[in-house]
Amino acid sequence: AQSVTQLGSHVSVSEGALVLLRCNYSSSVPPYLFWYVQYPNQGLQLLLKYTSAATLVKGINGFEAEFKKSETSFHLTKPSAHMSDAAEYFCAVSDRVGDDKIIFGKGTRLHILP
Amino acid sequence: KAGVTQTPRYLIKTRGQQVTLSCSPISGHRSVSWYQQTPGQGLQFLFEYFSETQRNKGNFPGRFSGRQFSNSRSEMNVSTLELGDSALYLCASSNHTTGRREQYFGPGTRLTVT
Repeated sequence: AQSVTQLGSHVSVSEGALVLLRCNYSSSVPPYLFWYVQYPNQGLQLLLKYTSAATLVKGINGFEAEFKKSETSFHLTKPSAHMSDAAEYFCAVSDRVGDDKIIFGKGTRLHILP
Repeated sequence: KAGVTQTPRYLIKTRGQQVTLSCSPISGHRSVSWYQQTPGQGLQFLFEYFSETQRNKGNFPGRFSGRQFSNSRSEMNVSTLELGDSALYLCASSNHTTGRREQYFGPGTRLTVT
């Protein structure tokens, strides 16, 4: 069965510093992987997705993620944090076959320190 | 294209009452999923509808039900409300026919049960 683990429910970084949010997945076959962001009182917005075309995926707002099959990881990074990046981030996994069911991680709240 | 819309955005109900939430997917999307989001449990999958049929169901009691209409609009119903049903209810649509598995979320309905 698929599952997603996000390490750290809260992460704090200084403005301008590197952002690294960790995600590990469990799936019997290489899956689809997603990162979503949720700003306060809003729904989830797709940041980026991995569908096997390239292991390094670039998303919106300067974020990118690298699929590492050997480590079953899909960590999210951004070279320089901005105050507007403060939000909750969710990693999600979906199998390549069958239905559209997506399993979400528990989320990581990113705090940006001035 | 217009995004996913949910109505109402906010709702206050009393224990024992029932509630109906509405979701209009992105035009052309035939799959609609519902999620419950709470601080303690995170994002939990309720159910998914595709072409008016429930395709997936999460682990929620029978008080939670849904349906989808021929125009892909979906409703979810919660009967005999409990305090623990207070949550943000999110609807997401996806374009299953193209194999794209990312989901696009609405802003959510904030339900408060008193």
